[in-house]
Amino acid sequence: DTAVSQTPKYLVTQMGNDKSIKCEQNLGHDTMYWYKQDSKKFLKIMFSYNNKELIINETVPNRFSPKSPDKAHLNLHINSLELGDSAVYFCASSQVAGTGGHEQYFGPGTRLTVT
Amino acid sequence: DAKTTQPNSMESNEEEPVHLPCNHSTISGTDYIHWYRQLPSQGPEYVIHGLTSNVNNRMASLAIAEDRKSSTLILHRATLRDAAVYYCILRDEDFNKFYFGSGTKLNVKP
Repeated sequence: DTAVSQTPKYLVTQMGNDKSIKCEQNLGHDTMYWYKQDSKKFLKIMFSYNNKELIINETVPNRFSPKSPDKAHLNLHINSLELGDSAVYFCASSQVAGTGGHEQYFGPGTRLTVT
Repeated sequence: DAKTTQPNSMESNEEEPVHLPCNHSTISGTDYIHWYRQLPSQGPEYVIHGLTSNVNNRMASLAIAEDRKSSTLILHRATLRDAAVYYCILRDEDFNKFYFGSGTKLNVKP
């Protein structure tokens, strides 16, 4: 059973278009994340939601809008796509941590190519 | 942001131990040290984490310096499947953030 799934796996689109990436987790976790991995392979957190509430927004352009319809889903909508948005986007989930630290489970990634 | 420093790449022979170092001199008292790895064309995968004491699990061991300014991930017997980029990460418990560094690309030779 897939723990964290993303669709689509590949997305090729033109500049100026609007696109969405979907993420679902079946782990019963309370917290979900979006990360961006650029061509130099740097992974950077973009957003985090806890129980459908936004808790982290890492100075991402407002063209990016996360939506969490329930705690098992966190979708990423991108308006007016730009060339610089080309990257691999990873969704992740985790339990809300107490004092013991916790691990994140990552999805397989969505490779977005903007032409 | 708290940052980590890792060598860009390392090489190991199959079935030999591997020690992957990480420096995190600006670590705060509440930061956990996490290690993840990323196999080619896959999402990152959890390896191990710790706060102050050394940790062992089925995948690896984590040795944390007494001053917590550095740590070492130990793979006891490298296999070809362990070839990946290994990330040493500080987790900010207050804000629930993970800060990924540039990672170490581990090459395992048969």
